[in-house]
Amino acid sequence: GAVVSQHPSWVICKSGTSVKIECRSLDFQATTMFWYRQFPKQSLMLMATSNEGSKATYEQGVEKDKFLINHASLTLSTLTVTSAHPEDSSFYICSARDLAGDWYEQYFGPGTRLTVT
Amino acid sequence: GQNIDQPTEMTATEGAIVQINCTYQTSGFNGLFWYQQHAGEAPTFLSYNVLDGLEEKGRFSSFLSRSKGYSYLLLKELQMKDSASYLCAALSNDYKLSFGAGTTVTVRA
Repeated sequence: GAVVSQHPSWVICKSGTSVKIECRSLDFQATTMFWYRQFPKQSLMLMATSNEGSKATYEQGVEKDKFLINHASLTLSTLTVTSAHPEDSSFYICSARDLAGDWYEQYFGPGTRLTVT
Repeated sequence: GQNIDQPTEMTATEGAIVQINCTYQTSGFNGLFWYQQHAGEAPTFLSYNVLDGLEEKGRFSSFLSRSKGYSYLLLKELQMKDSASYLCAALSNDYKLSFGAGTTVTVRA
């Protein structure tokens, strides 16, 4: 149980284009999902908290107009990187909290590697 | 804000024991997580401590001292597959995880 999927697992795009990454909780409902970014040899940095049916909360320094988050249902959150640039190349990981599970636990997706050329 | 510190690298021999220390300073604390992460993969959950003391799970144990802002992860009977990055993460009152930079453990034969 408690499986989170991400799609795509990797993507290469050209500078200036937009990329959408999906995060799905497959066997549970998630009112809250989190988006992280991890640069090589660095730790995960929280970008934003996504709540179903409401606007996402962004961490300091993360541009909300560049990283669009939509959490339209209890099982799906999407992150759209708009006008991507090479410096946006990173490993993007989502996690989800189970509505019916332990309040403290987050289940992580397998990550999406974005490369912007 | 959160400040999580852990060593960058550790090396140990197969079958040995390694202890990874983590110190944290947080504004609002709701527990300490340890995750294992292999290169290019998402973190996998190892342990969660919210009360002081030692939690043992097979070959892995985790310890927490809230008064000292200190935790450690103990890996016993090391195996080659344990070579990975180990992330210490503190959970805040608003359910946000703040991660340390990770400790890369290399297990040698």
